[in-house]
Formats: sequence, C-alpha cells, structure tokens
Amino acid sequence: DGGITQSPKYLFRKEGQNVTLSCEQNLNHDAMYWYRQDPGQGLRLIYYSQIVNDFQKGDIAEGYSVSREKKESFPLTVTSAQKNPTAFYLCASSLKRTRNEAFFGQGTRLTVV
Amino acid sequence: AQSVTQPDIHITVSEGASLELRCNYSYGATPYLFWYVQSPGQGLQLLLKYFSGDTLVQGIKGFEAEFKRSQSSFNLRKPSVHWSDAAEYFCAVAASGAGSYQLTFGKGTKLSVIP
Repeated sequence: DGGITQSPKYLFRKEGQNVTLSCEQNLNHDAMYWYRQDPGQGLRLIYYSQIVNDFQKGDIAEGYSVSREKKESFPLTVTSAQKNPTAFYLCASSLKRTRNEAFFGQGTRLTVV
Repeated sequence: AQSVTQPDIHITVSEGASLELRCNYSYGATPYLFWYVQSPGQGLQLLLKYFSGDTLVQGIKGFEAEFKRSQSSFNLRKPSVHWSDAAEYFCAVAASGAGSYQLTFGKGTKLSVIP
C-alpha cells in the first residue's frame, strides 16, 4: 500500500538533546512538508522541500533542521535550540500535478522530559 | 500571503442533526481550497477539495462544501451527522500560482456529537 510512514509514533527527549523524526513516502511525490501542531493552533509549517537536495524554511523553522537526500525521505531534526519542542509533528507529501493536495502521515508526538 | 479563519473553535450537535462548519479565506487570486478531518492522535484525512468549476463539491463520508467567492467562504456541510463524525476539522487554502506548494491551515473546529 502506498502512503506516508512516520516513526516513531511517540518520542521522549531530554532537555538539551537533539532528536530526529523519520518520514518516508512511497507515493512518488515530489514535495514533502513538516508541520507542527499544538492545541488550538492548527498546523504551522516548519520546512518544505519541492525536490531532492533542496528545501525551504516555513513559518517556524527556528530550532529545526531537515535534509532531503532521497525523494522518499524527509527527516526532521529537533535541535536543542528549539525552546518548546513538545508538540505533535505531522509529515505530508504532495504531487505537483494535483495542485497541492497533501497526504499526511500518522504523526509523531514528541515530549520533552 | 494567504490566511484561513475558522470562527468556531468547538461545535456540539446531536446525532442526526445537520452540520455546517464555517471557513473564510484570504487570498488575492482564485484559491485552491480543502477540508481535512483529524481524529485524536491521528494524521489528517482529505474530505474534499475545490480547484475550479462547480462551486458545490462533494466529498467522502457524505460531506459537501460550497465555494462562495463573494463571501470568501468555503463552508463544510453534512445533512445528518453520525457519532463517528466527532473529530477536528481543518480548512486549508493553497496558492494557485505556479511553483507554490504551501498549504495554509485554519486553527480547526472541534466537533462533538451527542448520541
């Protein structure tokens, strides 16, 4: 089955640690996105990538980093510079021809302990 | 830049009643519009989308939405709500310009259904 796989589903991080969230898609989509979701805030764009080896900052990129070495993969690293990392993180992808219709993974809940 | 407003944070309806969730957008040109649904702890599922043409669009699970350019609205409707419709609903807008890939989301409306 085609889809987007995020792992892990739950992640706990200690203060000062970097953690990496995985996102893999087998939909052959060109564009991939990372969103952060907080209660009552909707979804806010962290980073997006339209093509391999290229990515752009979204609205709240500070404290995050990404890479796009393969079309299928778009990992997100939450660095120690992110002051409030506890949130639900959603990865999405879209195929250019379908005009931004995005397909979402099941999310990763990150908690700082 | 585009933006989306969902005026209702939380709506409660009785099972079998009709439903309308409001969405207003701001965008200079013709927008691409979407409604997504999210169950707790899950990802988002696309309910329906509007790109052009007929302003009344049908989606999955019996939902429909109407694009009204004059009101900058894209309200979601369902004639008869089922208990399984309880979830959070997000309206989103995408720029229609070439090379633009960003979706902008509203803050969501949480729907509760009374049996």
